Amino acid sequence: KNEVEQSPQNLTAQEGEFITINCSYSVGISALHWLQQHPGGGIVSLFMLSSGKKKHGRLIATINIQEKHSSLHITASHPRDSAVYICAVRVGNTPLVFGKGTRLSVIA
Amino acid sequence: DADVTQTPRNRITKTGKRIMLECSQTKGHDRMYWYRQDPGLGLRLIYYSFDVKDINKGEISDGYSVSRQAQAKFSLSLESAIPNQTALYFCATSDPRTSYGYTFGSGTRLTVV
Repeated sequence: KNEVEQSPQNLTAQEGEFITINCSYSVGISALHWLQQHPGGGIVSLFMLSSGKKKHGRLIATINIQEKHSSLHITASHPRDSAVYICAVRVGNTPLVFGKGTRLSVIA
Repeated sequence: DADVTQTPRNRITKTGKRIMLECSQTKGHDRMYWYRQDPGLGLRLIYYSFDVKDINKGEISDGYSVSRQAQAKFSLSLESAIPNQTALYFCATSDPRTSYGYTFGSGTRLTVV
């Protein structure tokens, strides 16, 4: 069974801090997704990656396929980054399997 | 209009009642999914459909059924609702032609009393 573990579960940061959220998984995957869920509940896709690194604005996602590990970094964090960040993995053609999420609070 | 629309947004129902949650999409995606989200448990797959004639059970399908009425419509039914089905329900779509990027609906908050 493919399991997806995220750490930490909860994270509080001061505005401006560099933030790292980690994701590890147990089996070989085809792709890994990072998603964001705001307090209103809506879920949006941030990144989809199968190797290397992707960057969008202040967000950076990396993946190490050999170590079965991915990180999501937020530079110069801001209160509007407060959300739940969710890691999910896909194996071949199968539906995504989700981690439990990391709840981030950024305090001004 | 949203790409993936779920109705209703909120629903309170009584134990034993039948309830249907509806999902429609304008993405033109063949693949549709129903997930359930509970605090501390993340999103868990209930049912999924890769095209109109394809229905598959997910991790937690007991107590639920689905209908894929058209490429754009995928409904989730609770035949006899029970309190532990109280949760936030999400419909999602994806398409291999766009590298399997997922688009989610806004969610339906269901409370069974």
